[in-house]
Amino acid sequence: KAGVTQTPRYLIKTRGQQVTLSCSPISGHRSVSWYQQTPGQGLQFLFEYFSETQRNKGNFPGRFSGRQFSNSRSEMNVSTLELGDSALYLCASSLDAAGGQNEQFFGPGTRLTVL
Amino acid sequence: AQTVTQSQPEMSVQEAETVTLSCTYDTSESDYYLFWYKQPPSRQMILVIRQEAYKQQNATENRFSVNFQKAAKSFSLKISDSQLGDAAMYFCAYSGTYKYIFGTGTRLKVLA
Repeated sequence: KAGVTQTPRYLIKTRGQQVTLSCSPISGHRSVSWYQQTPGQGLQFLFEYFSETQRNKGNFPGRFSGRQFSNSRSEMNVSTLELGDSALYLCASSLDAAGGQNEQFFGPGTRLTVL
Repeated sequence: AQTVTQSQPEMSVQEAETVTLSCTYDTSESDYYLFWYKQPPSRQMILVIRQEAYKQQNATENRFSVNFQKAAKSFSLKISDSQLGDAAMYFCAYSGTYKYIFGTGTRLKVLA
């Protein structure tokens, strides 16, 4: 089975621009979660999508949004980029909704640099 | 709200020695799971070990074992016979009702 894939792997943007990141979960997985990883902050939860519905959301501004398609692929969008948005964005999929015993399988991440 | 704390930003261990990474958490839930994930440099995060809160027996996976103290809300990871390939960021994670919460991570260096 193919693992979680994320595209693109690297992005360089300038302040004020917007960006869309893509995540393809493991086949059969219905939940996709997004995290922002920065040095010293660990993984900060952005949101989780399950069966095309946003099930949970972290404490991020409205500039961060996402969606999930019927094939479980998910996209994350960040509008009006700020320097502080530079980070590694990780996507994780699980068979069922996040929580409980469900292991999360992570993609390689998208490294976003905002200049 | 649940929290996960990893108080050791960085640890070092000599090859073949044993090291313990600490993790504490706070929750009012009675049913939950705890995980340790490993993130090698420039590689994908993978699951190392999982512990079910209602099981008193500590989980073990080859050279990796946990010391789970439910009353103290402590969940440490012990790595025995450390190898160079163990060098990575290690994240402790709490999985409760509808949520996953990660700690800030511990960077483990393995010295040859």
